[in-house]
Amino acid sequence: GDSVTQMEGPVTLSEEAFLTINCTYTATGYPSLFWYVQYPGEGLQLLLKATKADDKGSNKGFEATYRKETTSFHLEKGSVQVSDSAVYFCALSETGNSGGSNYKLTFGKGTLLTVNP
Amino acid sequence: DAGVIQSPRHEVTEMGQEVTLRCKPISGHDYLFWYRQTMMRGLELLIYFNNNVPIDDSGMPEDRFSAKMPNASFSTLKIQPSEPRDSAVYFCASTVRTDTQYFGPGTRLTVL
Repeated sequence: GDSVTQMEGPVTLSEEAFLTINCTYTATGYPSLFWYVQYPGEGLQLLLKATKADDKGSNKGFEATYRKETTSFHLEKGSVQVSDSAVYFCALSETGNSGGSNYKLTFGKGTLLTVNP
Repeated sequence: DAGVIQSPRHEVTEMGQEVTLRCKPISGHDYLFWYRQTMMRGLELLIYFNNNVPIDDSGMPEDRFSAKMPNASFSTLKIQPSEPRDSAVYFCASTVRTDTQYFGPGTRLTVL
């Protein structure tokens, strides 16, 4: 079945440092790829998405590029802030029996990011 | 527009008691998902509905768990009887025929 593997945390950085969180996937079909973020005490929020190969998703200074050849969707940010401290989840959309999306998401285990001032 | 609403936000109960978690999806959304989040197992999909009909309940851990969606604006997840290993944060999410799911704030359940 489909699966998502993301780097284990926790990741601790100083403010303004460069961030990379690795994510690779295995899937049948052509899934959409997502990064969700979970701030303390809250539900998950969509951070960015990409729907096809070579697409780049971006939001709030974060970026990730859909790499079909390496089955990867690594999350990057050039300069992190204390407010970026959260758990980050990589996810993919599953392909249903008819070949289209069945709107289910498969999540990675999450990576805790802590940014210190 | 209000997001996904879950209640209660926190629930503490004793082993053997019945627990009911509630979810109101975003108006107009026709898919609803129930997830469980624990440190050990991460985020697990329990069940999801389309147009109030359960589509896939393969993630429901055992018969003690049941979920219903009597109408488009309300769903419940029930655990009877509850056990300490059910302690987790339970999330509800909804979407309208897109891959982007909108999550509620979650219910933190503690079973003593």
